[in-house]
Amino acid sequence: DAGVIQSPRHEVTEMGQEVTLRCKPISGHNSLFWYRQTMMRGLELLIYFNNNVPIDDSGMPEDRFSAKMPNASFSTLKIQPSEPRDSAVYFCASSDTVKYSKTDPPLHFGNGTRLTVT
Amino acid sequence: AQTVTQSQPEMSVQEAETVTLSCTYDTSESDYYLFWYKQPPSRQMILVIRQEAYKQQNATENRFSVNFQKAAKSFSLKISDSQLGDAAMYFCASRPLSSGSARQLTFGSGTQLTVLP
Repeated sequence: DAGVIQSPRHEVTEMGQEVTLRCKPISGHNSLFWYRQTMMRGLELLIYFNNNVPIDDSGMPEDRFSAKMPNASFSTLKIQPSEPRDSAVYFCASSDTVKYSKTDPPLHFGNGTRLTVT
Repeated sequence: AQTVTQSQPEMSVQEAETVTLSCTYDTSESDYYLFWYKQPPSRQMILVIRQEAYKQQNATENRFSVNFQKAAKSFSLKISDSQLGDAAMYFCASRPLSSGSARQLTFGSGTQLTVLP
C-alpha cells in the first residue's frame, strides 16, 4: 500500500498565480480530507469528501479556494489567485468509513505539500 | 465545539528516560475520541495512540501510554525509554463520535520533543 500520495511536495509561486495541489487517497478509502497547517493556526480542516461528494467545506477560508474530487482516486485543492498568506503545508488524508462503520476509522495522512507564495 | 490545548511548545528528554506531554481539551460532545499524532521532519502525521472517551482504562502502545482524566479533561502522553527516533512534533487531537459529526479532528498547537543523546 503506497499510502496517501500528494503532489507536489513543494510549490513556490508568485502572488496572483493559480496553484493546484493534488491528492491520491489510499485505494478503497471513501473519505478524503484536506487540512492546512500553519504556525499561527496549527492544523485546520478545510474540506472533506465522502464518496466523492463534498460534505463540509465550512473550513475553506475564501472563495479563492476550491476543491474537487472527480473520482474515488483523485482530488485537487486549487487556490486562485494565490496570496502570501496562503503559504502553509497542505495535507490530504483519507479513511475507510465503510470498513470501520461501527468503529473509529483510522485517518491516514499524506506527506503534505509545502506551499510558498511570494 | 471542541478545543484542544497543549501548553508546552517545547520539551526535551534524555535518551532512555521518560517524558510526559500535556494536553487538555474541551468538548460539548458526550462521546469522542482522543489522539496523539507524531509529526517527524518528514512531515507525515503518524497516529501514535488513541483513546475512546467511554473507556476508563488508559490506552497503551508499547512505550507510549496515556493518562486520561475525563473529569479534568486531561489527556497526557507518556513516552518511556525515549529513543532518538521519538524526536518530533507531537499533536494532541480530539474528534466527536456522533454520527452527525464532520468526522473532523481538532488539533492542539503541538509540542516539539527533542531527545538528547
